[in-house]
Parts: sequence; structure tokens; C-alpha cells
Amino acid sequence: QLVLTQSPSASASLGASVKLTCTLSTGHSNYAIAWHQQQPERGPRYLMKVNNDGSHSKGDGIPDRFSGSSFGAERYLTISSLQSEDEADYYCQTWGTGFVVFGGGTKLTVL
Amino acid sequence: QVQLVESGGGVVQPGRSLRLSCAASGFTFSTYGMHWVRQAPGKGLEWVAVISYVGNNYYYADSVKGRFTISRDNSKNTLYLEMNSLRAEDTAVYYCAKDERENDYTGYPHYFDQWGQGTLVTVSS
Repeated sequence: QLVLTQSPSASASLGASVKLTCTLSTGHSNYAIAWHQQQPERGPRYLMKVNNDGSHSKGDGIPDRFSGSSFGAERYLTISSLQSEDEADYYCQTWGTGFVVFGGGTKLTVL
Repeated sequence: QVQLVESGGGVVQPGRSLRLSCAASGFTFSTYGMHWVRQAPGKGLEWVAVISYVGNNYYYADSVKGRFTISRDNSKNTLYLEMNSLRAEDTAVYYCAKDERENDYTGYPHYFDQWGQGTLVTVSS
């Protein structure tokens, strides 16, 4: 069964960098994923797709501070030069033949 | 600029029905698959259903299969979700989302590159 695992929470200081992780379940390490951001009281926003080779493609208007990478079954979202508006929930998502899976989300706190 | 605007949410009693709509603009609606995704209060995102760009292929999450029906009217640039036999656990904000893949006749889902702002459905007696 395809499962995405995310840490429930993360924190980092204003201006610092943070790396969020999304882990694919055993046997699914070749899957691409997408990252979505959800700021408080708002709908989600697509950030980027991350492929298993680490290449990524960002959505329109997503700042260069956001980048993606990959290693084995792990997919990463790195946010540099953290700003207050980056405080949000971050979800990874993947897909298969007729289904979609979300990770449980990571709540990022900017200190 | 892409816009997805959901409507039709509200308070409904258990066992009753409700139809949600999503008005799309800013892109060629008729060439993209479309999704419904929901979020229960304080919880994460849960995918609900996808429909192909033509409207002849669709897939559902197990939690709604047999109760919910996704459909679309490409002449009106509108996506729908007909929800029957509603349960308390269907209480959520419902989002429509655009699939990134164009002209995929299979209707298989991929990732979402545009989201709406959501409409709240509350199932309660």
C-alpha cells in the first residue's frame, strides 16, 4: 500500500532554512510527489513537483527560496530565508492509477 | 489568471443530499481533468474524486464510492459533486482542484496545480 509519511511539526527561525521530508512507503521509491502549502484559513497552493531523480518543477510565482530534492524514498522541500508568511501546513501528495494519496502534513512554525 | 470558485456548501441533515459546484475560469476547462478534495475540521487533506476532461472516466475514494458522483459541464466551465446519503464524517471543507495533465482521456489522477478556496459542508441533525 502506497503511504506518504511526514513529521507532524517542524520549526525554524526567521531568515533561516528548513528542510521538510516526505517518505514513500517500501516498494514505492520511484514515485514522484507534489508539495502543497496551506496557510492558515486558506485553501492549499501548489508549490512544486519533485521527481525521483531530484528534478523539480515549480508552480507559477513560487519564489526561488523554495526548492525540491530527492534521495531514495525521501522527497524534500527546502525553504531558505524563512519569512513569517511561510508559517503554514505543508502536504506532500502522490498518485497512481485511479487514486491519490496525501501525507499527513507538516505544520511549520517560524520562530 | 486561473480561478476556481466553489459553492453549494451548507448545513445538511444526515442521510440527505447536497450538490456542490465549482466555476472555473482562466484556462481551457474542457481539456483538463478535475478533482474534489476535502478537509475535515482540524485534519489533513483527503482526495475525494477525479473526472477526465471529457467526463467519461472517473475515480473515487473508497470512503465516498457509491454515495458521491462527480460530473462536469464543459459548456458551462463547471464541475459538480453530487453527495447523497451524507454522514457526519463527511463534514469538511470541499475544494475543487485542477489536474496538471492536459488531454488525458484515461482520467487517471496526477497532481493538482490549481486549487479553489473551498466550501464548507456540515452534516448535522
